[in-house]
Amino acid sequence: DQQVKQNSPSLSVQEGRISILNCDYTNSMFDYFLWYKKYPAEGPTFLISISSIKDKNEDGRFTVFLNKSAKHLSLHIVPSQPGDSAVYFCAASAYGGATNKLIFGTGTLLAVQP
Amino acid sequence: DGGITQSPKYLFRKEGQNVTLSCEQNLNHDAMYWYRQDPGQGLRLIYYSQIVNDFQKGDIAEGYSVSREKKESFPLTVTSAQKNPTAFYLCASSIRGEGNTEAFFGQGTRLTVV
Repeated sequence: DQQVKQNSPSLSVQEGRISILNCDYTNSMFDYFLWYKKYPAEGPTFLISISSIKDKNEDGRFTVFLNKSAKHLSLHIVPSQPGDSAVYFCAASAYGGATNKLIFGTGTLLAVQP
Repeated sequence: DGGITQSPKYLFRKEGQNVTLSCEQNLNHDAMYWYRQDPGQGLRLIYYSQIVNDFQKGDIAEGYSVSREKKESFPLTVTSAQKNPTAFYLCASSIRGEGNTEAFFGQGTRLTVV
């Protein structure tokens, strides 16, 4: 049973526009959420995180929104750049973000068209 | 340069053979992890270690073994008991195993059974 779901395997966006990547979860005990970005044949790199006590966290062009009642989070990238083209993984934890307790989604491939 | 080094980048194994994947970090992190990535699936935790000479099974430990004799090193052995070993393997480390700590990933090893 997939506890963290990224229902869109891929997303294509024009350069300069907004990219919105979505993630749904089923476990109401999750209290920390992270986004990782991954280029082909490389390891993921941490992008941004949010604790369940917040509903928004912003870092430059990247903003994560958390809707606890809907068990939904989203990553907004504004403006999108070609270098943002990568696979984005959503991850969640019920133990304050402990890496050994992270549950990863299946990833969304973002393609930013010049 | 601080980071995590996985070697080799590509590895081919004959059926029935054991093979060991290397992971070294110079970040002075206490915790280290092994994940497996398959097409269309998120990262799944194989084993993790929060301290030298101690390690715990993750969600899919069957057919794998690890050791943690040094803080910097966490090698993973894929044994002949692993039924479907062809995958992309990722090693990660974090300052500690609990709490909101970012994980740093290596570049991965792609293992193919021939």
